[in-house]
Amino acid sequence: GAVVSQHPSRVICKSGTSVKIECRSLDFQATTMFWYRQFPKQSLMLMATSNEGSKATYEQGVEKDKFLINHASLTLSTLTVTSAHPEDSSFYICSATYRRRGSYEQYFGPGTRLTVT
Amino acid sequence: AQSVTQLGSHVSVSEGALVLLRCNYSSSVPPYLFWYVQYPNQGLQLLLKYTSAATLVKGINGFEAEFKKSETSFHLTKPSAHMSDAAEYFCAVSDPGGSEKLVFGKGTKLTVNP
Repeated sequence: GAVVSQHPSRVICKSGTSVKIECRSLDFQATTMFWYRQFPKQSLMLMATSNEGSKATYEQGVEKDKFLINHASLTLSTLTVTSAHPEDSSFYICSATYRRRGSYEQYFGPGTRLTVT
Repeated sequence: AQSVTQLGSHVSVSEGALVLLRCNYSSSVPPYLFWYVQYPNQGLQLLLKYTSAATLVKGINGFEAEFKKSETSFHLTKPSAHMSDAAEYFCAVSDPGGSEKLVFGKGTKLTVNP
């Protein structure tokens, strides 16, 4: 149980176009999902917290108009990279909070490799 | 503010040897602590977590970690390394009463030599 999927796994787009990445919790409901960005050989950088039914909360330095997050349902959050540029090329990973027995865990998706040409 | 320090960005062991990956945390409240493993071009997989119950936590794939409050540490160990353990390992901390955000360490790359 507690599986999180991401789609697509890889995407190549041209500079100036927009790309949407989906994150789904397959077998549990997640009121909270998180979006991370990971540069090569580096740790994960939290971009934003996605809350079902409300606006996302962005970390300092993350452009909310560039990285649009929509948490449409308890099992789906989307990240849209608008007007992508080569510097947006990165590995994007989502996670979803699974709550049980008074504690919680975050389960991570397999990641999406974005390449902007 | 919470933070995590992973000592050693690279650790190399021989197959069959003890694995020890170090993690120290800083938190103003009793934290939740996690270890995740990441294989190339994949997401993170939870190895184990500490959530204020038993201080010695057993996880998947033979890994375990011990929460030591006096040392603010949560080191990850495995008695005998396998080739398949070669991966990147991340320690993370969160505030149980907060927003559930994870703060990650910089990661430790484990190499297992035959």
